[in-house]
Order: sequence, then C-alpha cells, then structure tokens
Amino acid sequence: DGGITQSPKYLFRKEGQNVTLSCEQNLNHDAMYWYRQDPGQGLRLIYYSQIVNDFQKGDIAEGYSVSREKKESFPLTVTSAQKNPTAFYLCASSITASGRRNEQFFGPGTRLTVL
Amino acid sequence: DAKTTQPPSMDCAEGRAANLPCNHSTISGNEYVYWYRQIHSQGPQYIIHGLKNNETNEMASLIITEDRKSSTLILPHATLRDTAVYYCIVRVMDSNYQLIWGAGTKLIIKP
Repeated sequence: DGGITQSPKYLFRKEGQNVTLSCEQNLNHDAMYWYRQDPGQGLRLIYYSQIVNDFQKGDIAEGYSVSREKKESFPLTVTSAQKNPTAFYLCASSITASGRRNEQFFGPGTRLTVL
Repeated sequence: DAKTTQPPSMDCAEGRAANLPCNHSTISGNEYVYWYRQIHSQGPQYIIHGLKNNETNEMASLIITEDRKSSTLILPHATLRDTAVYYCIVRVMDSNYQLIWGAGTKLIIKP
C-alpha cells in the first residue's frame, strides 16, 4: 500500500529532552511537510522540503529541526528549546511543492506529550 | 492569519446533502480554493479544489461564486462517516508551500 507513515502514534517525553518524530512516504513525492496542531486549532507549518537535501522554515520553526537525506524520509526533532512542545504533529507530502499537482497527503499523526 | 471564514459548526441529517459555506472575500486571481477534512485525531484528507469553475469528484462538489468571494462544498448524500472538521483554504498556486489553515467547520451528521 502506498502512503505516509508516522511513528509512534503516541509519544511521552520528559521536559528538557530532545525527541525525534519519524515520517516515511512511499508515494515517490518530492515535497514533504511538518505541521503542528493544537486543540481546536488549524494546522501550522513548521518546516517543509521541496527536494532531497533541501528544506525551509515555516511559520513556527523555532525549537524544531529537520533533515531530508532521503526522498522518502523527513524526520522532525523537537528540541528542548521548544517552549510548548505538547501537540499533535502531522507530516504530509505532495507530488511537488508548487504547480497544479500539489494537494497534500497526510500521515496519521503523532501525539507528543511532554511531562 | 487564515484568509477564509467558516461557521464553527453545522448539523446535517444522514442521507441529506450537506452544504458547507466558506467566505474568502480577499481572494486573489491566482488563488485556488482547497477543501480538506479531518476526522477526529487523524490526519487531514484532501477533498477537492478549484479556481473559478465548479468542480465535482467522487467525494464532493465545489461551487464557487462568480465573483469568487465565497464557495460551498456539497456532500450530496451525507453519512455518519462524514462527521469531521472541514477546512476551506485558499492557496496561491505558485507558492511553495502555503496552506493557511483556519479553525474549520465541525460538521456533525445525525442519524
């Protein structure tokens, strides 16, 4: 089956620890995205990548880092510098970042709770 | 800030058509209207998008007014599984990434 996988579904960490969220896609999409969602809110863009070895900051990149060493993988690290990391994190991909075929497909999400 | 305005919640009877409105009065000529939905605690699902013509696919129809300042998503025969938050988003087709998400409309389908 083609799709986007995120793991784990639920993640608990102690305050001050870095944590890495996994995102893998086998859709052969060039572009990948990370969003954060807080209760009752829409999604906010953290980082996006248009192509391997390239990524750009979104609206709320502070306290987060990413890498894009492989086309199918786009891991997100939540660092201790992120002041309020508890949230629902969503990864998405699209065929391209721009142009007509850029509807985004989403993974199931990871719910991170920092204790 | 989101460029769209949606009612926070709506109800619809099962089997009836669900009509979800969206205002985007500041939309520019090159901005498309996208609709996604999110079932509780899942990732959003793409539904449909359009520029100025009405669009239809297997999931829904999108009706865009002639002045493009508003649109309506139509689910022709709503089922209980259509209960979700529906997001209306405008997006510049030439932009690299921007989907500006508002709070959406919580649609509840009642038996």
